Amino acid sequence: GAGVSQSPRYKVAKRGQDVALRCDPISGHVSLFWYQQALGQGPEFLTYFQNEAQLDKSGLPSDRFFAERPEGSVSTLKIQRTQQEDSAVYLCASSLVPPGLAGINEQFFGPGTRLTVL
Amino acid sequence: SQQGEEDPQALSIQEGENATMNCSYKTSINNLQWYRQNSGRGLVHLILIRSNEREKHSGRLRVTLDTSKKSSSLLITASRAADTASYFCATDGYGGSQGNLIFGKGTKLSVKP
Repeated sequence: GAGVSQSPRYKVAKRGQDVALRCDPISGHVSLFWYQQALGQGPEFLTYFQNEAQLDKSGLPSDRFFAERPEGSVSTLKIQRTQQEDSAVYLCASSLVPPGLAGINEQFFGPGTRLTVL
Repeated sequence: SQQGEEDPQALSIQEGENATMNCSYKTSINNLQWYRQNSGRGLVHLILIRSNEREKHSGRLRVTLDTSKKSSSLLITASRAADTASYFCATDGYGGSQGNLIFGKGTKLSVKP
């Protein structure tokens, strides 16, 4: 089927607004990851879900960032009271099996949501 | 924080030439992967090399891994204009990690026709 999809592709927010970014992983993929990619940099890990459980949120930069995956498929990354430093591309990735299983960790990435905070 | 560095940061070559990109990392790994990212697009997985492998080929791609030096290289042979993109290496932590990938800063490759 289709790959990982993300919406919206582009989002412009005024400073202080809340935003919600959506990720539809590949059907049946157990693991879901969110990454933040600043301009000219590599992606940096934000948070990880295994099914509906958020097992690692150590990369979330502040308590303004919140992610959920209530039914173990679609995930939403919410940023409250956006700041200019939140401007980045937010990438979602999914993988079929939990990390570490069989030593494989190939992740399939969506196109990203480019967030610009004015 | 980023795991390591790709080298060079930018590379410009002519079509048909070979392109070599290097990556260094800091911690022990289970495997190392290379991804490509076209401008404004998501990352595309290119190749994965396990920590017990030293070299791997896939089409025009050749990846080497030296765990003693904590480094890897990606060679693209007979480059094409369509290879123009940013290339990232990514590692996963060894033990204790939940499997998130740790990316370098990337090499921006430009292949001129």
